Amino acid sequence: DAKTTQPPSMDCAEGRAANLPCNHSTISGNEYVYWYRQIHSQGPQYIIHGLKNNETNEMASLIITEDRKSSTLILPHATLRDTAVYYCIVRAYSSASKIIFGSGTRLSIRP
Amino acid sequence: DGGITQSPKYLFRKEGQNVTLSCEQNLNHDAMYWYRQDPGQGLRLIYYSQIVNDFQKGDIAEGYSVSREKKESFPLTVTSAQKNPTAFYLCASSIAPQQHRESYNEQFFGPGTRLTVL
Repeated sequence: DAKTTQPPSMDCAEGRAANLPCNHSTISGNEYVYWYRQIHSQGPQYIIHGLKNNETNEMASLIITEDRKSSTLILPHATLRDTAVYYCIVRAYSSASKIIFGSGTRLSIRP
Repeated sequence: DGGITQSPKYLFRKEGQNVTLSCEQNLNHDAMYWYRQDPGQGLRLIYYSQIVNDFQKGDIAEGYSVSREKKESFPLTVTSAQKNPTAFYLCASSIAPQQHRESYNEQFFGPGTRLTVL
């Protein structure tokens, strides 16, 4: 599975959009991009995933570049409850279903 | 309510003792996983199981053992051979990937068990 690179930390004002970048320059054609988040001392929570098209759900939007080498997770109206570590992961359905987690981005939302 | 549970939330043990962490799911998922997380770090895979009575080592299996006698249960034993057992342990489950042609095998995580070895 391809590796990802994320900034170690970011901050965002409450009510503004939080844009979290992820680089995955070695992504293969059959690998999906997944985003999870982990609030302190809890289990990770699935947010969204995509292959090549942009995706949106009730939690967030995922923008994947045309060459698929990077993506951005967008939280449209960040709240204090969005403070968490956000993990960007790429993996293929053909591999074992284990997830390889990196260090993620620690997102802090300021009032 | 369907979900995945881990117990207890906090666990203390003396050095040299084996300890077993519980993980139960009622989501009818075939696949289950154990991860370890150290402070400020990402998750690392210990063991995973894609079907009852079968399991595979992850990246850091040394000093750990598992069993999968029932679909809904995947207990993890931290043995005395594990050099640094103090950590946050997370269990997860998912639909087995071969059941879906798309890669939508989202993993559902339990609340975790924080193990401290004194």
